[in-house]
Amino acid sequence: EDKVVQSPLSLVVHEGDTVTLNCSYEVTNFRSLLWYKQEKKAPTFLFMLTSSGIEKKSGRLSSILDKKELSSILNITATQTGDSAIYLCAVEPHTGNQFYFGTGTSLTVIP
Amino acid sequence: NAGVTQTPKFRILKIGQSMTLQCAQDMNHNYMYWYRQDPGMGLKLIYYSVGAGITDKGEVPNGYNVSRSTTEDFPLRLELAAPSQTSVYFCASRRDGNQPQHFGDGTRLSIL
Repeated sequence: EDKVVQSPLSLVVHEGDTVTLNCSYEVTNFRSLLWYKQEKKAPTFLFMLTSSGIEKKSGRLSSILDKKELSSILNITATQTGDSAIYLCAVEPHTGNQFYFGTGTSLTVIP
Repeated sequence: NAGVTQTPKFRILKIGQSMTLQCAQDMNHNYMYWYRQDPGMGLKLIYYSVGAGITDKGEVPNGYNVSRSTTEDFPLRLELAAPSQTSVYFCASRRDGNQPQHFGDGTRLSIL
């Protein structure tokens, strides 16, 4: 059965710290891995990583896909209170048009 | 540009009642999805559709039904509400298989 695991489950840091969130997957015939940020309502898209795009960066956020280790990390540098959210990882196989989500990492940034 | 619109935002049902959660998107997306999100459990796929007239079951379809008569709308039907269906429901859409999903703001449903 396809599976996506995120760690840690929760994290509390101080403003200015750097954090690394992890996502590992066991998905048959991998197609893509996505990171989302979820505050109070809808998840909002951050990055999509594929075999042809294994590293993405936007401002203080960056993500890398390791296809050999079947995992991805999401890095946030110089954290701000506005980074407080649940970060979700989702993986899509080539077949089925479905996404499999991890349970998320809850990040709290303290001023 | 509204994106993905879900109604209602909140609803309380009694056990055994039925209701329809509405989802509409104005981006001309072919793919639409329904998820439920329980505390600490991530998002679980209920049903999805790759185009008008086509629907498929996801991981947790029992107790739900869907239809896709138009590209824009993808309603989710609960026929006999049960306490286990208390959850937050998200609808999402995307243009095709190489794009990320866009999510609606969710419907918080409580069944008492």
